[in-house]
Amino acid sequence: DAGVTQSPTHLIKTRGQQVTLRCSPKSGHDTVSWYQQALGQGPQFIFQYYEEEERQRGNFPDRFSGHQFPNYSSELNVNALLLGDSALYLCASSLGGAQNGYTFGSGTRLTVV
Amino acid sequence: AQSVTQLDSQVPVFEEAPVELRCNYSSSVSVYLFWYVQYPNQGLQLLLKYLSGSTLVKGINGFEAEFNKSQTSFHLRKPSVHISDTAEYFCAVSDISGYNKLIFGAGTRLAVHP
Repeated sequence: DAGVTQSPTHLIKTRGQQVTLRCSPKSGHDTVSWYQQALGQGPQFIFQYYEEEERQRGNFPDRFSGHQFPNYSSELNVNALLLGDSALYLCASSLGGAQNGYTFGSGTRLTVV
Repeated sequence: AQSVTQLDSQVPVFEEAPVELRCNYSSSVSVYLFWYVQYPNQGLQLLLKYLSGSTLVKGINGFEAEFNKSQTSFHLRKPSVHISDTAEYFCAVSDISGYNKLIFGAGTRLAVHP
């Protein structure tokens, strides 16, 4: 049973560019959350998608946007990249809430130069 | 709003010694509590979780944690560590209502030496 799959694994972008990261949730999971983990820090919640709608958002600017597709997969888009956006981006899927457990992917390492 | 404080950024320990990683949280509502482990260049793996009931929670790889409501703590323990336990450990909380986003601490780097 495949867990959470994220692509690409690594990405290098130039400041000002736009990037799209992708996530396929664990089979049977319907909720996808995205987290940003800067070097040496804990993950920070970006937003959560359920039934193709963003239902909760963390303290991130509008440059961060997302989408969930009917098959529950999800994309994270970041516009006008800043050097400070360099981080590991983690996708987590779940069925229902946290009590059922979140399964994390291995992440996408984004470097902005 | 919730917050998590992991009291030690790094914990060095010798193989086969016991270890405790400390976590304190702050919340105005009831919470679920979690410990995750992150190995180099990997995502997060759930070690254990506290939802309700017994305050002593047992997880994978011989780890356990104790929920102390009066001290708002959720410390992680292992009686005998192995080299393979070297990793970053994160404590996290989520409220029990709403959509349960996870709030993480800054992490504790456990370094097990031979």
